[in-house]
Amino acid sequence: DAKTTQPNSMESNEEEPVHLPCNHSTISGTDYIHWYRQLPSQGPEYVIHGLTSNVNNRMASLAIAEDRKSSTLILHRATLRDAAVYYCILRDANNYGQNFVFGPGTRLSVLP
Amino acid sequence: GAVVSQHPSWVICKSGTSVKIECRSLDFQATTMFWYRQFPKQSLMLMATSNEGSKATYEQGVEKDKFLINHASLTLSTLTVTSAHPEDSSFYICSASPRVAGVWETQYFGPGTRLLVL
Repeated sequence: DAKTTQPNSMESNEEEPVHLPCNHSTISGTDYIHWYRQLPSQGPEYVIHGLTSNVNNRMASLAIAEDRKSSTLILHRATLRDAAVYYCILRDANNYGQNFVFGPGTRLSVLP
Repeated sequence: GAVVSQHPSWVICKSGTSVKIECRSLDFQATTMFWYRQFPKQSLMLMATSNEGSKATYEQGVEKDKFLINHASLTLSTLTVTSAHPEDSSFYICSASPRVAGVWETQYFGPGTRLLVL
């Protein structure tokens, strides 16, 4: 499985944008980039995913580098409810039997 | 997005008893489901892959006779922790992936089951 690297922790102020980076230099052509977040005592929550183009949804935006070796999850206005561990995960869309491999993720703290 | 449910959300049991955890895909069919375990302050670790109509595939170090998995239908997988001991206390999470436009793009996770063995 292609690996990802993320900072262990980040801090943001409430109502400010947050840019969470992820490096995946060994990504393959059929790997989708997925972002999940996990709040305390809950299962991971889907945030966004993409393949090559930037993606936007109601939760966040995903900016993917042109060479696909890195990506950035953008929370446009952080709220206290966005404090969570954010995981960047690669998965081959053609391989149904492939599970998600979770790294340590980035623990985001949001300061009021 | 797709919904995956788990039941129960938490359970407390005595050492030596067995506990069954259910994982359901509510609005899609899942031929494959995954079971993870998460200890405090750690990330999710895959325990096993549950395949509908066939035997589960276990990760190295996970005892298949202790963690029994049954995937009897396309919407239900169960994990039974047999003869539970305090070291089995953990947060158990399942996931499943719907097929969209011919590819399995993403996975959806259940809310987790907190197991405490006394």
